Amino acid sequence: DTEVTQTPKHLVMGMTNKKSLKCEQHMGHRAMYWYKQKAKKPPELMFVYSYEKLSINESVPSRFSPECPNSSLLNLHLHALQPEDSALYLCASSQDRGGKTYEQYFGPGTRLTVT
Amino acid sequence: GQSLEQPSEVTAVEGAIVQINCTYQTSGFYGLSWYQQHDGGAPTFLSYNALDGLEETGRFSSFLSRSDSYGYLLLQELQMKDSASYFCAVDSGYSTLTFGKGTMLLVSP
Repeated sequence: DTEVTQTPKHLVMGMTNKKSLKCEQHMGHRAMYWYKQKAKKPPELMFVYSYEKLSINESVPSRFSPECPNSSLLNLHLHALQPEDSALYLCASSQDRGGKTYEQYFGPGTRLTVT
Repeated sequence: GQSLEQPSEVTAVEGAIVQINCTYQTSGFYGLSWYQQHDGGAPTFLSYNALDGLEETGRFSSFLSRSDSYGYLLLQELQMKDSASYFCAVDSGYSTLTFGKGTMLLVSP
C-alpha cells in the first residue's frame, strides 16, 4: 500500500470555525509533512514530524496546530483562519533515513476555502 | 538560503523530446528530486539523483551535475498526458525538500 489518504477532500469554513484535516499512511514511514500550496505555486512546507515528534515548524501562525497521534496519523487543527489561508493542504510521508528524503509520497490534498 | 531556478513554462508537441533545467543554490545538498503535478492533483515522485550522471526510468530521465549545481529532467516521446507542472526539489538533509517554482509543460497535438 503506497497511498497517503487525506480527509476531507474539500472544506469550506468561516473565520470563527474550528476544523481539522486528517492524513493517514500505512507504509511505515516515520517522517510526515504538512504543506500549503497556492495556485500555480510550489508546495510550501509547514510542519515536519519525525518519529511522531514535531521536528520542524516553518514559522507557521498558531492558528494552525499540528498533531501526530501515532506513526500512521497526522492531523492539522485549524482555528480562526483568514481568507488568505485558502489553499490546497497537502500531507506527505517518507522514510526517515537520517534526515535524507529520497521520495515523498503525497496525499490528494484538502482544498480549503475560508469565507 | 536556498534557491532553485527552473523555467516557468515549456511548450512542445506530441512525440517530441523536452528538457527542463534546474539550477540550485543551497546550504546543503544530498540530492535532487523531480515531481510531477497535474492540475488539481497531488505531486508525484519521478526521480532522485544523488550522484552525478543520468538516471533513466522509461520515457523520463534525470541528470545531475553536482559541480555545476545543475540538473535536468528529460521527457521523451511526449504524450498529451505529460501536460503538467514539474518541480525540481533539493534534499538538503534535514528531512525536508526545497521546491523550485515549477515548470508548466504544455503538450499540443
